[in-house]
Amino acid sequence: DTGVSQDPRHKITKRGQNVTFRCDPISEHNRLYWYRQTLGQGPEFLTYFQNEAQLEKSRLLSDRFSAERPKGSFSTLEIQRTEQGDSAMYLCASSQGSDQPQHFGDGTRLSIL
Amino acid sequence: EDQVTQSPEALRLQEGESSSLNCSYTVSGLRGLFWYRQDPGKGPEFLFTLYSAGEEKEKERLKATLTKKESFLHITAPKPEDSATYLCAVQAAYGGSQGNLIFGKGTKLSVKP
Repeated sequence: DTGVSQDPRHKITKRGQNVTFRCDPISEHNRLYWYRQTLGQGPEFLTYFQNEAQLEKSRLLSDRFSAERPKGSFSTLEIQRTEQGDSAMYLCASSQGSDQPQHFGDGTRLSIL
Repeated sequence: EDQVTQSPEALRLQEGESSSLNCSYTVSGLRGLFWYRQDPGKGPEFLFTLYSAGEEKEKERLKATLTKKESFLHITAPKPEDSATYLCAVQAAYGGSQGNLIFGKGTKLSVKP
């Protein structure tokens, strides 16, 4: 069990640029989740997939955000035209089914200059 | 609206000084309550899942309990390595947010030797 892997660990970009993050879940897990966490706050839900289907999106997920899980394995989260307010830790989690615990990766920290 | 409130925000203990962390929740039907530990710069690490009032789970110096309105994380004779932020999260059984976890802001625990 290699755990949930996220890449890159850190990303620094200029305002207005596009960024893409990758998440590799635990191999047998069919559910994959994206969360965002800012300093002093708990993680906030963004979206989740069951296999390749995106089943739920938060109101936090503006039109500039898009997530994919094309083959039901790894997932990508893209942010277009980044803004200062997008600076946060982006966390990915996976689980084996809806009632099982979600296991988190160590996140991608995004800093917008 | 589903929400989770954790108290205190921060807790400083001497090594060996037992205490409890509180998690109060409001949710449209509880599917599960989860406790996580988060170290700086890392993703949340799963500790416990509780599903019904009266349930208890234990792991080393930690014990989690659940009532219909709140959960407690009891820490017995803590050690400095227990220092971390402890996050509580709930999963709703009904409504549009059944897939995701709703987190509190966490309790930052510091244990001094």
